[in-house]
Amino acid sequence: QVQLVESGGGVVQPGGSLRLSCAASEFTFSTYGMHWVRQAPGKGLEWVAFIQYDGINKYYADSVKGRFTISRDNSKNTLYLQMNSLRGGDTAVYYCAKRGMAATGTSWFDPWGQGTLVIVSS
Amino acid sequence: EIVMTQSPATLSVSPGERATLSCRASQSVSSNLAWYQQKLGQAPRLLIYDASTRATGIPARFSGSGSGTEFTLTISSLQSEDFAVYYCQQYNKWPPLTFGGGTKVEIK
Repeated sequence: QVQLVESGGGVVQPGGSLRLSCAASEFTFSTYGMHWVRQAPGKGLEWVAFIQYDGINKYYADSVKGRFTISRDNSKNTLYLQMNSLRGGDTAVYYCAKRGMAATGTSWFDPWGQGTLVIVSS
Repeated sequence: EIVMTQSPATLSVSPGERATLSCRASQSVSSNLAWYQQKLGQAPRLLIYDASTRATGIPARFSGSGSGTEFTLTISSLQSEDFAVYYCQQYNKWPPLTFGGGTKVEIK
């Protein structure tokens, strides 16, 4: 069964940095695009970033562009999200999610990890 | 950016009754639409993709329909475990991938 396990969340001051990790198992990680999605407390879902299976193409939400960087290490089956210049509005549970299928045009999210909470506060 | 609008925000339904949830896109998304279920304190779970295809392991009481700008998720006979928040998401034109604001299905 596909498993995604996030880590790296915590409390950080405004302007600070944090790196999230997502360990993947039970599927061929190197053939799937991967996403980060976040959810502020009591709010809905917001897509954050996507990285193609080979790491070449990356896309970001406007709200994080220039501050967040998505990356992956296919040799370690791990996805990352480097978050810099953090703001209060970045406070959320961050989920990693696998692209629905390996083929293009299948950008739904399945499955999701359990999430890791990031709190930006002084 | 394609804006997704869900209605109603809250739906009160008795167990065993049918629930009908709506999702509207600000422009056509063809059939590139997914539905998710999120229970309190849990990650979302994929229910439907390509507007009407049930994901693996999803019970037949969940069905999706629609294309273009109007979509519906129907739960034919609500079970106790179905009370949750449901989100739609388009993947026709991105970035960004966008979600609706959610519909909370609560016990009447």
